Amino acid sequence: ESVLTQSPGTLSLSPGERATLSCRASESVSSSYLAWYQQKPGQAPRLLIYGASRRTTGIPDRFSGSGSGTDFALTISRLEPEDFAVYYCQQYGNSPTFGQGTKLEIK
Amino acid sequence: QVQLVQSGAEVKKPGASVRVSCRASGYTFTGYYLHWVRQAPGQGLEWMGWINPNSGATNYAQKFQGRVTMTRDRSISTADMELSRLRSDDTAVYYCARDSGAYNNFDYWGQGTLVTVSS
Repeated sequence: ESVLTQSPGTLSLSPGERATLSCRASESVSSSYLAWYQQKPGQAPRLLIYGASRRTTGIPDRFSGSGSGTDFALTISRLEPEDFAVYYCQQYGNSPTFGQGTKLEIK
Repeated sequence: QVQLVQSGAEVKKPGASVRVSCRASGYTFTGYYLHWVRQAPGQGLEWMGWINPNSGATNYAQKFQGRVTMTRDRSISTADMELSRLRSDDTAVYYCARDSGAYNNFDYWGQGTLVTVSS
């Protein structure tokens, strides 16, 4: 099963800056089955991106996903205060696995 | 609108079992797989398994095989997850999540159920 490694573990940025979060897989992942989630304290995860680059309905266009094979990225073009949270990537090969998460914190 | 509503928090002793329920509404219950995912305090997300609400077929993560049982009651659009032989490291928030289908991701989540295992 593909192991997902996210980097960095913590990213400290200011509102208005650009954030790039990385997700690297130990073996190739079908782009169709790569997703990104946002989780805020005390809340369930929320699906942001699926199929590596498709935004879920209602997700602002400052969020974008890219990548293929073993390297994927989530980019937030201009950070808003509500974007500071933990982000997880997830793949579904034979069974689902998640990355360990990237915490996006206010600098 | 799609909703997954889970049962309330539980406190259990080591060795006991816990059952968490997930009631679905706003969509055809039998049309989408349901997964269970847990999150230990301050930790990441861990997939436990899925159930096909239509057939009742299940698939469990190897880590939980022999300890987890997932069932469903189509008449009340509810899926249950039972975890037995609880240990302290089973303390976590347990989520049910709907599989979107075509892209095999989790498009709707329950609010989570905190299970605390403590003597």
